[in-house]
Amino acid sequence: ETGVTQSPTHLIKTRGQQVTLRCSSQSGHNTVSWYQQALGQGPQFIFQYYREEENGRGNFPPRFSGLQFPNYSSELNVNALELDDSALYLCASSLRSGGRDGYTFGSGTRLTVV
Amino acid sequence: AQTVTQSQPEMSVQEAETVTLSCTYDTSESDYYLFWYKQPPSRQMILVIRQEAYKQQNATENRFSVNFQKAAKSFSLKISDSQLGDAAMYFCAYRSYTGTASKLTFGTGTRLQVTL
Repeated sequence: ETGVTQSPTHLIKTRGQQVTLRCSSQSGHNTVSWYQQALGQGPQFIFQYYREEENGRGNFPPRFSGLQFPNYSSELNVNALELDDSALYLCASSLRSGGRDGYTFGSGTRLTVV
Repeated sequence: AQTVTQSQPEMSVQEAETVTLSCTYDTSESDYYLFWYKQPPSRQMILVIRQEAYKQQNATENRFSVNFQKAAKSFSLKISDSQLGDAAMYFCAYRSYTGTASKLTFGTGTRLQVTL
């Protein structure tokens, strides 16, 4: 059983640029969630994808968007990067409810905006 | 909105000893899930233990156990026979829903040091 794979592991971007982060979900999981973890903080929920549609969003602006593909992998896109977007971005896969079987996290993408 | 509070930014324990990490949460729901995750320097969040709120019995996973006090909204993690590999950030998390999406709300974490 494969776990959650995220790419790239590290990324440096300039303010105003756009970035795409990628996530492959764990085998058997149909739901992908994205979290932003600022330095010294707990992860914050960005949004969740199920059946290729966004089915819930946290307190993040529309310049944070995503996709889910038929194989359940996912992308997180951030437009017009700001310095405060510098963070670790974590992807988590699960079955839809997430509770009983839990969430499997990847090792994240460290994004630095300069 | 649900909130999760971890009041201990850092804890230290000697190898082979026992340590308890604290977590409190706020919710108006009656049925929910609570989790403890470990985040080592590799950055991956690793599930340590989960608790279903309707179950009165405290969850146990090998050296890890919880003290779940539903009325007090408290969910502490006890690590017995601590090992050097237990050193990491520990996050308490509550599962809730936004729209039809299940999401985790995390506390700010407790950094655990394990000393010889």
